[in-house]
Amino acid sequence: EAQVTQNPRYLITVTGKKLTVTCSQNMNHEYMSWYRQDPGLGLRQIYYSMNVEVTDKGDVPEGYKVSRKEKRNFPLILESPSPNQTSLYFCASSLTQGTQPQHFGDGTRLSIL
Amino acid sequence: SQQGEEDPQALSIQEGENATMNCSYKTSINNLQWYRQNSGRGLVHLILIRSNEREKHSGRLRVTLDTSKKSSSLLITASRAADTASYFCATDGNSYKLIFGSGTRLLVRP
Repeated sequence: EAQVTQNPRYLITVTGKKLTVTCSQNMNHEYMSWYRQDPGLGLRQIYYSMNVEVTDKGDVPEGYKVSRKEKRNFPLILESPSPNQTSLYFCASSLTQGTQPQHFGDGTRLSIL
Repeated sequence: SQQGEEDPQALSIQEGENATMNCSYKTSINNLQWYRQNSGRGLVHLILIRSNEREKHSGRLRVTLDTSKKSSSLLITASRAADTASYFCATDGNSYKLIFGSGTRLLVRP
C-alpha cells in the first residue's frame, strides 16, 4: 500500500530536549516536505526536498533542521524545541514537484512543555 | 498571505443533502486542488483541476473553476456522515509549492 509513515504520532517533551520526527514514503517520490498545522494559521511549509541531498527552506524554517540522505526518508529535527513549536506536523511527498498532488502522513502531534 | 480562502468556514447539513464549498485565490494558477482532512488524520487529495478546465467530476464530487473570478467550488452530492471532515483548496500560484487555504469544516448530521 502506498503510504507516508510518520513516527511518533504523539510526543510530549520538554523545552531544549532534542527530538527527531521520522518520515518515510514507499512510492519512490522525489519531492518531500514538512508542514505544521496551527489553528487559524492553516498549513505552513517548514522545509522541502526535491531529491536526495537537496533541501531548502519553506515558509517557517526557524528552529528546524532536515536531512535527505535516502530517497525514502526525510526526518525533521528539532535541536532545541521550544513551546512555540507545539503543533501538528505533517510530512508529505509527491512524484517530482511540490505543485503535484501531495500524499500526506497521518501527522505527529508535538507538545513541548 | 494565503493564496486560497475557503468559504464558509463551517457548514452543517443533513445526510443526503448537497454540500457546496467555495475557494477564492489571489494570483494566477496552473492548477487548483481539493483535499479532505478527517479529524486527527492527514490530508487526502481529492481532485485536481487545471486552469484550462472549467469543471471536473469524481464520483459524488464536482469541482468548478472560474479563473476570471479566481474562484473554485467543491460540490459533494448526496452527502453521508462519512463526509464529515475539513476540506481545503490548494493552489500553486505560479510557485514551487502548494499554498493551502484555511479550510471549511463540514458536519454531516445523520
